Amino acid sequence: QQQVKQSPQSLIVQKGGISIINCAYENTAFDYFPWYQQFPGKGPALLIAIRPDVSEKKEGRFTISFNKSAKQFSLHIMDSQPGDSATYFCAARRKVAGNMLTFGGGTRLMVKP
Amino acid sequence: DTGVSQDPRHKITKRGQNVTFRCDPISEHNRLYWYRQTLGQGPEFLTYFQNEAQLEKSRLLSDRFSAERPKGSFSTLEIQRTEQGDSAMYLCASTVGGANVLTFGAGSRLTVL
Repeated sequence: QQQVKQSPQSLIVQKGGISIINCAYENTAFDYFPWYQQFPGKGPALLIAIRPDVSEKKEGRFTISFNKSAKQFSLHIMDSQPGDSATYFCAARRKVAGNMLTFGGGTRLMVKP
Repeated sequence: DTGVSQDPRHKITKRGQNVTFRCDPISEHNRLYWYRQTLGQGPEFLTYFQNEAQLEKSRLLSDRFSAERPKGSFSTLEIQRTEQGDSAMYLCASTVGGANVLTFGAGSRLTVL
């Protein structure tokens, strides 16, 4: 059962554009929502994360928007660059389950120069 | 390099053979996780350790899979009688208990012929 649903599966954006990736979750026990970035041949690396008591978090060009009532959150990449081309995973954590992360299916982002 | 190390990076084996993967976490991290990632999918939780104790196992971890962390430092994941469906990237991650950030290794890619 997929507890975190991610869309779109793939995304093509022009350089300088905004990339938007959406996730929805079902389990209200989740208490922390990170985004991971993964390049080919590498493990996922933490990009940015948010707690459900905050509606937005911004770090540089990356912003998470969080809607607790809708159980949805999204990643916005402003001024997208070719170096941002990677696969992005949203995730959700249940602290009572040993910090175990449940991942979305991933979004393959390609930023065209 | 003080990150999470995994060995081997790639393993090709024939169906029915046994394989073992090793993970060396960041030295002060007491929690260690194993995830499996198939092509085009997000990582799926397999199991985790706090020190040497294995605290949770996913239903994905069939009886052909066994994981150990004998001295609370490195961990091994063994797959017995491999099947083609075991072909995947096996990711290891570590953290300090209670911390939010999981640091992933680059993974061990298994191909079962």
